[in-house]
Amino acid sequence: AQSVTQLDSQVPVFEEAPVELRCNYSSSVSVYLFWYVQYPNQGLQLLLKYLSGSTLVKGINGFEAEFNKSQTSFHLRKPSVHISDTAEYFCAVTQRSGSARQLTFGSGTQLTVLP
Amino acid sequence: AAGVIQSPRHLIKEKRETATLKCYPIPRHDTVYWYQQGPGQDPQFLISFYEKMQSDKGSIPDRFSAQQFSDYHSELNMSSLELGDSALYFCASSLGTVNTEAFFGQGTRLTVV
Repeated sequence: AQSVTQLDSQVPVFEEAPVELRCNYSSSVSVYLFWYVQYPNQGLQLLLKYLSGSTLVKGINGFEAEFNKSQTSFHLRKPSVHISDTAEYFCAVTQRSGSARQLTFGSGTQLTVLP
Repeated sequence: AAGVIQSPRHLIKEKRETATLKCYPIPRHDTVYWYQQGPGQDPQFLISFYEKMQSDKGSIPDRFSAQQFSDYHSELNMSSLELGDSALYFCASSLGTVNTEAFFGQGTRLTVV
């Protein structure tokens, strides 16, 4: 079984400032890691994913995340945020092997970009 | 590109009624997942299907059932609806159990009154 902890439920930040959304996971098996974004009343859109290889992963909309195996973390970063980045962000994991490929989500972080 | 289609987008039902939610996966995707997202909550896995067979089961109530049809679309049937069933229901699809990315639909917002 796996679990995901998003350490901040709300992150307010001013426009053009950098932001980091924190995510830690726990799992007894190897996992794949994802960040999804959800705009109000919308579905979940994949921002980026870590499967293997380079621990720094670049995604859409200027976001990137770094996988740290020793700290079991997968923090999401953006060097300069825009008003349009205001949304709920979910970190998620799925196990690498076996037939159960459902995602386990964190509780989400509401990013609010202030003018 | 074609995406995951869910219908209806919005549904209002009374307590004790039944509801059927439909999901049409991306063409050639053979795996479907259902998630429930309550107000202010993270999505919770309900059930998944691979090649028309149930592949895994999460926190799906006994009042709910689901299946995947020969054309790979899936339906989530919900009976004896309760107020607590009000939520956003997402369907996601992927290609097989090896593919690592699930694509989500826009969701069906179910309101039980």
